[in-house]
Amino acid sequence: DAEITQSPRHKITETGRQVTLACHQTWNHNNMFWYRQDLGHGLRLIHYSYGVQDTNKGEVSDGYSVSRSNTEDLPLTLESAASSQTSVYFCASSDGSLSGNTIYFGEGSWLTVV
Amino acid sequence: GENVEQHPSTLSVQEGDSAVIKCTYSDSASNYFPWYKQELGKRPQLIIDIRSNVGEKKDQRIAVTLNKTAKHFSLHITETQPEDSAVYFCAVNQAGTALIFGKGTTLSVSS
Repeated sequence: DAEITQSPRHKITETGRQVTLACHQTWNHNNMFWYRQDLGHGLRLIHYSYGVQDTNKGEVSDGYSVSRSNTEDLPLTLESAASSQTSVYFCASSDGSLSGNTIYFGEGSWLTVV
Repeated sequence: GENVEQHPSTLSVQEGDSAVIKCTYSDSASNYFPWYKQELGKRPQLIIDIRSNVGEKKDQRIAVTLNKTAKHFSLHITETQPEDSAVYFCAVNQAGTALIFGKGTTLSVSS
């Protein structure tokens, strides 16, 4: 079955380290997203992509970057991890037009920055 | 940008009662309004959605109503059951943008 998978599922890293969270979908969806979830803040949009070579900043993009070299993958990089980036990160994808289509979430990546 | 407010942040009901969660949004151009349910430790999953050309949509025990003039929409759950206990998120978007979510409502259904 088609799916969206994230790795690693759990990671502990040190302040200042570079961290990359992988996201891979097999639905051939055009649109991919990264959200972070924190208590009291809900799901906040970090970056999103309409397609290959396209990336856009979301609500909380500072300290994060993404690249889209193919349809299946949208890795999220924390250039220099900070304790404020301890969070649960969800990747998601959707098909068709950016608006009005169901987005499907991955299982999440729990990141702790110490 | 779009701003989404969701209320209440927590809601406790008895099994069999109804639950209502309300969201307001700021951008009148927004045209898609989904609701997601997230069980503890799981990913959010779509439970119902509505588009701006429709005022109400029902699916068994859940319904969503939309008031575009007032810029608010609500999730209604009737005959609540313990398995309805979860965090519920509303979301909003318009053409060419990604979904913006509310902060979530933790629903607890006690038997």
